[in-house]
Amino acid sequence: DAGITQSPRYKITETGRQVTLMCHQTWSHSYMFWYRQDLGHGLRLIYYSAAADITDKGEVPDGYVVSRSKTENFPLTLESATRSQTSVYFCASSDRTGYTEAFFGQGTRLTVV
Amino acid sequence: GQQVMQIPQYQHVQEGEDFTTYCNSSTTLSNIQWYKQRPGGHPVFLIQLVKSGEVKKQKRLTFQFGEAKKNSSLHITATQTTDVGTYFCAGRGTGTASKLTFGTGTRLQVTL
Repeated sequence: DAGITQSPRYKITETGRQVTLMCHQTWSHSYMFWYRQDLGHGLRLIYYSAAADITDKGEVPDGYVVSRSKTENFPLTLESATRSQTSVYFCASSDRTGYTEAFFGQGTRLTVV
Repeated sequence: GQQVMQIPQYQHVQEGEDFTTYCNSSTTLSNIQWYKQRPGGHPVFLIQLVKSGEVKKQKRLTFQFGEAKKNSSLHITATQTTDVGTYFCAGRGTGTASKLTFGTGTRLQVTL
């Protein structure tokens, strides 16, 4: 199916564990983004990628790692999960960052216990 | 860094009343986008404004971009229950490496 998909939709993990959130888009968009959404903070950019093998930090990158070996995939890894990383994570893609609309995935609700 | 604030954080209206949310940036923007997120859903693009003083309408929604390109507003006339959700503005700075920065959002609740 065309679009942008995230997996899993829901995840519960323990403090200290590594967890990877997946994001896949079928439009061949150049740009992909990871945001976290917390009450009172809106959407905060974690990392973004302008193309395969090009990634850059956003507003809140600490504790997260990304990679982009293929244009269509942009996984986000929490190397050692902490309770403060409990959040809803959204992946998004766009043709040109800030100039064209961003398309968001359905989100992953992550709970760190 | 660039900061984008929205007010109010929350507004509760009766169906049929008007609603306005305001977006203010700490720096001049090259453009601004608006998104709507339904409860439990993901943000969905509504519109983009580029020119100073630009006004665009989508049915009952009116979007404005300030003359100084540092603020924007979204006005909904005669709200309906289908308007419920959180409205985000997202501004792009003027530098070549600028990214889209989302505002804090305004949650709209509409009751009959």
